[in-house]
Amino acid sequence: AQSVTQPDIHITVSEGASLELRCNYSYGATPYLFWYVQSPGQGLQLLLKYFSGDTLVQGIKGFEAEFKRSQSSFNLRKPSVHWSDAAEYFCAVGANDMRFGAGTRLTVKP
Amino acid sequence: GAVVSQHPSRVICKSGTSVKIECRSLDFQATTMFWYRQFPKQSLMLMATSNEGSKATYEQGVEKDKFLINHASLTLSTLTVTSAHPEDSSFYICSARSPVTGGMDTQYFGPGTRLTVL
Repeated sequence: AQSVTQPDIHITVSEGASLELRCNYSYGATPYLFWYVQSPGQGLQLLLKYFSGDTLVQGIKGFEAEFKRSQSSFNLRKPSVHWSDAAEYFCAVGANDMRFGAGTRLTVKP
Repeated sequence: GAVVSQHPSRVICKSGTSVKIECRSLDFQATTMFWYRQFPKQSLMLMATSNEGSKATYEQGVEKDKFLINHASLTLSTLTVTSAHPEDSSFYICSARSPVTGGMDTQYFGPGTRLTVL
């Protein structure tokens, strides 16, 4: 069965610092991978997705993610974090039956 | 494009009553809609998948007689929580998918509905 693990429940970074959120997946075939962001009390916004092709995927708001099959990982990165990036981030795998990770809450220090 | 709305955004009801939540795809036709439930500070759990014009497919452990899903058109799906109890209080999120808009592999999410059962 497919599953997603986000090892970090909560991460705090300073504004302007770089960010990496970890995501590991378990999937039998070529995975459909997604990163979503959720602000408090809001729905999910798609940041980026990977199905095939270039393993480095560019998304919105300056985010990128790299698919590493050998490590079963799809980590999300941003070179310089802004205060508005503070939110909950979810990694997800699958298409017809999407499974979400537990989420990583990002706090941005001034 | 690819906007999904939910109504209401918040609802408070008394125990034993039923509540209907609407999910609409505003600018595209959604062949498939999904309903998720999210507990505080937790991830989303898929409740059911519905295809337009057919019965919903429920995930294991989800009571289909309690959570009634109707996908009557390509732009509207409804979730009715019947005989609601306090333990049904949660954040309910829908998503929609279209083979034309985004492909069969991308879901677009609504803003969610906060249900509180007193």
